[in-house]
Amino acid sequence: GQQLNQSPQSMFIQEGEDVSMNCTSSSIFNTWLWYKQDPGEGPVLLIALYKAGELTSNGRLTAQFGITRKDSFLNISASIPSDVGIYFCALAVLAGNMLTFGGGTRLMVKP
Amino acid sequence: GAGVSQSPSNKVTEKGKDVELRCDPISGHTALYWYRQSLGQGLEFLIYFQGNSAPDKSGLPSDRFSAERTGGSVSTLTIQRTQQEDSAVYLCASSLGPGQGYPNEKLFFGSGTQLSVL
Repeated sequence: GQQLNQSPQSMFIQEGEDVSMNCTSSSIFNTWLWYKQDPGEGPVLLIALYKAGELTSNGRLTAQFGITRKDSFLNISASIPSDVGIYFCALAVLAGNMLTFGGGTRLMVKP
Repeated sequence: GAGVSQSPSNKVTEKGKDVELRCDPISGHTALYWYRQSLGQGLEFLIYFQGNSAPDKSGLPSDRFSAERTGGSVSTLTIQRTQQEDSAVYLCASSLGPGQGYPNEKLFFGSGTQLSVL
């Protein structure tokens, strides 16, 4: 099956710092998604990427779909305490839209 | 309600007992997923329902696990003869299916059922 590797596995940063995390796959995909899971809740979609090379911003979040279609990164600028959570990348398998999730990056922000 | 609803929110059971976890998806969503999340870990795919198609059961870890979806809506995940390693949060998600809208990769998750097997 598809292999999705996220790095780093965890990050502990100071409030106000910028954050960068990435995700790589063993195969080429057409859709990359980034989800965030707050403690005690289910994941929520942050950003969806559909074209190779696409760069998308959503407030302090920026995500890019790598040109090889095998990787993506998510950047968070000027982190705040509510950014705490687990960030997952996910790929849409073409047939039936079933999503495969990466192992997640756990972000902790020190006020 | 407007979101995906899961019940119970917490379940404590004894090893060897059977448990049933329920998921009410968003009305009109034809796709429904079950995932398992062990403490501090990622999401492990269990099973996927899409409309009237045969479910994708490729993620079920053993034959003690089964799931059904009645009438294309409510789903029940059943774990028989529970083991301690079954302890985890079980998350349900729903989405629009292929052809229903764009984007249909957007999953809406419930808050999960925390299962503890003693």
